[in-house]
Amino acid sequence: DAKTTQPNSMESNEEEPVHLPCNHSTISGTDYIHWYRQLPSQGPEYVIHGLTSNVNNRMASLAIAEDRKSSTLILHRATLRDAAVYYCILLIYNQGGKLIFGQGTELSVKP
Amino acid sequence: DVKVTQSSRYLVKRTGEKVFLECVQDMDHENMFWYRQDPGLGLRLIYFSYDVKMKEKGDIPEGYSVSREKKERFSLILESASTNQTSMYLCASSLSFREGSNEQFFGPGTRLTVL
Repeated sequence: DAKTTQPNSMESNEEEPVHLPCNHSTISGTDYIHWYRQLPSQGPEYVIHGLTSNVNNRMASLAIAEDRKSSTLILHRATLRDAAVYYCILLIYNQGGKLIFGQGTELSVKP
Repeated sequence: DVKVTQSSRYLVKRTGEKVFLECVQDMDHENMFWYRQDPGLGLRLIYFSYDVKMKEKGDIPEGYSVSREKKERFSLILESASTNQTSMYLCASSLSFREGSNEQFFGPGTRLTVL
């Protein structure tokens, strides 16, 4: 299975930007990069996804390296509600939409 | 608002019992998924379905079966519950397999304890 590598944990201060890195060196040309997060005691929720170009939505931005072997999820102004485990996942085109979750990055936000 | 509901938030069963976990989505999604989540192991895919009466094994199907008789409902069945099936079970749905971009919507989870 295609693999992603993320730091186990990161810390941020409230109101500051957060850059969450992800390495996916085995990515192939048709694999989408998805990010989900899981708040305490809840199911995961979708954050953002992309294929080649950088993407923005109301929750975050996704910056994808030119060679697509890494990506960065950017939270522009962290809030206490953003404290969660963030998962970077490759959605493999020919595997029917399966998401293979790794260990994720646990983000803590300090007031 | 999109919604995935699961029949119970908490469930306690005894070893050997047959257990049904129900999941319903109201978004007319084609795909539905069952995961389990354990500390240190993350989320692992048990089974998924891309159409009514269709099912595919995920990464850890042993000891489980599924049923999808209607598009909106996907059931996970533990034929004979064992203590190593104590876990958080999460159901999800997504629109279609035809695009690699489809997001999955998750339910709140069922915490199952097998005694």
